[in-house]
Amino acid sequence: AQKITQTQPGMFVQEKEAVTLDCTYDTSDPSYGLFWYKQPSSGEMIFLIYQGSYDQQNATEGRYSLNFQKARKSANLVISASQLGDSAMYFCAMREGVVKVFGAGTRLFVKA
Amino acid sequence: NAGVTQTPKFQVLKTGQSMTLQCAQDMNHEYMSWYRQDPGMGLRLIHYSVGAGITDQGEVPNGYNVSRSTTEDFPLRLLSAAPSQTSVYFCASSSPQRGGLLTDTQYFGPGTRLTVL
Repeated sequence: AQKITQTQPGMFVQEKEAVTLDCTYDTSDPSYGLFWYKQPSSGEMIFLIYQGSYDQQNATEGRYSLNFQKARKSANLVISASQLGDSAMYFCAMREGVVKVFGAGTRLFVKA
Repeated sequence: NAGVTQTPKFQVLKTGQSMTLQCAQDMNHEYMSWYRQDPGMGLRLIHYSVGAGITDQGEVPNGYNVSRSTTEDFPLRLLSAAPSQTSVYFCASSSPQRGGLLTDTQYFGPGTRLTVL
């Protein structure tokens, strides 16, 4: 069974607008961590944001915020004020214990 | 501080050949992992290590061996390359932070693009 599901293979957003990238996860472990990574066309993986399963507040890092809805098992990434440099693949990941599982990714295109 | 380094950046092998992908980190991280990324897919865990001398299998371990004789190095060996192993390979390292295992931030190497003919 898929542990991490990203249902949007591709997304378009206008520059300066906000965009939400969806991520749902599946686990029976009460203790887990959720991550988002950006992979630009150059190929490297860049850590963006982290949310712990026990964290009461939604995580924020600059223009990135994580909309964590525990009961729905969703951890959507919100990028505010999109920039052309945000065009990339975005991966949601979940860590249970020492193992991290990744979703298939969403490719974001930012239009000028 | 170089972070996580991987060599080579590109490699072409023939079916049946063996080779070792090198990974090194200079951040004194306990945890190291190898992932493969196939076109249109996320990363899948091959093997991981939680410290020198300790390794374990991930999601797709078949056809690969690892060892962790030092904290810094975590080589990945392809025993007999097959076309199905054509992929981009990423090495990552991390260290548990204040909350323990779950809060670590992984640092990824630049990747090795492997083609098996």
